[in-house]
Amino acid sequence: SQQGEEDPQALSIQEGENATMNCSYKTSINNLQWYRQNSGRGLVHLILIRSNEREKHSGRLRVTLDTSKKSSSLLITASRAADTASYFCAIQGAQKLVFGQGTRLTINP
Amino acid sequence: DAGVIQSPRHEVTEMGQEVTLRCKPISGHDYLFWYRQTMMRGLELLIYFNNNVPIDDSGMPEDRFSAKMPNASFSTLKIQPSEPRDSAVYFCASRRTGTQETQYFGPGTRLLVL
Repeated sequence: SQQGEEDPQALSIQEGENATMNCSYKTSINNLQWYRQNSGRGLVHLILIRSNEREKHSGRLRVTLDTSKKSSSLLITASRAADTASYFCAIQGAQKLVFGQGTRLTINP
Repeated sequence: DAGVIQSPRHEVTEMGQEVTLRCKPISGHDYLFWYRQTMMRGLELLIYFNNNVPIDDSGMPEDRFSAKMPNASFSTLKIQPSEPRDSAVYFCASRRTGTQETQYFGPGTRLLVL
């Protein structure tokens, strides 16, 4: 299956700490994307990394991609209470995105 | 831009009734996607359109589900007849060719079939 698998399923940390979420997949990809979903809301695109890229930054977000290991990680630095959400990796095939099950991140004040 | 608009936001209906979910994509976007999200199965792609034409409906669960896109600014997802197992949050998303394949999601329709 092309679906990404996130790890861990749930993560709870203190405000100010860094949060790392991982995504593994099984097939070749065009790109890999990370989305955030706040409770009761739609998904919001965070960052996209192409198959020929290894690392990308956006504000407090850092994404890495290792195509040899078929894995990606999302790092959120200096976490804030507002970062509490579910985070999904999405594998981009020809035209479709296939989403993983997500990591539920809780930031404790 | 108002973003992707979905209606209704919440729908409660009884088993056997017809349900119609509506979506207005972002203006200028030529791809439209319908997803279903449940705790058990996560986020599943049901169908997507390009330039109003259905391209891949392999995710549509069964014949009770149908989707149309009569024009570039409107799409519907219909369930007839509805069943309790159809209870889920249904999302519509759109994107534009030539962008970085980023999809923009609507707020979703929370459907409960009793």
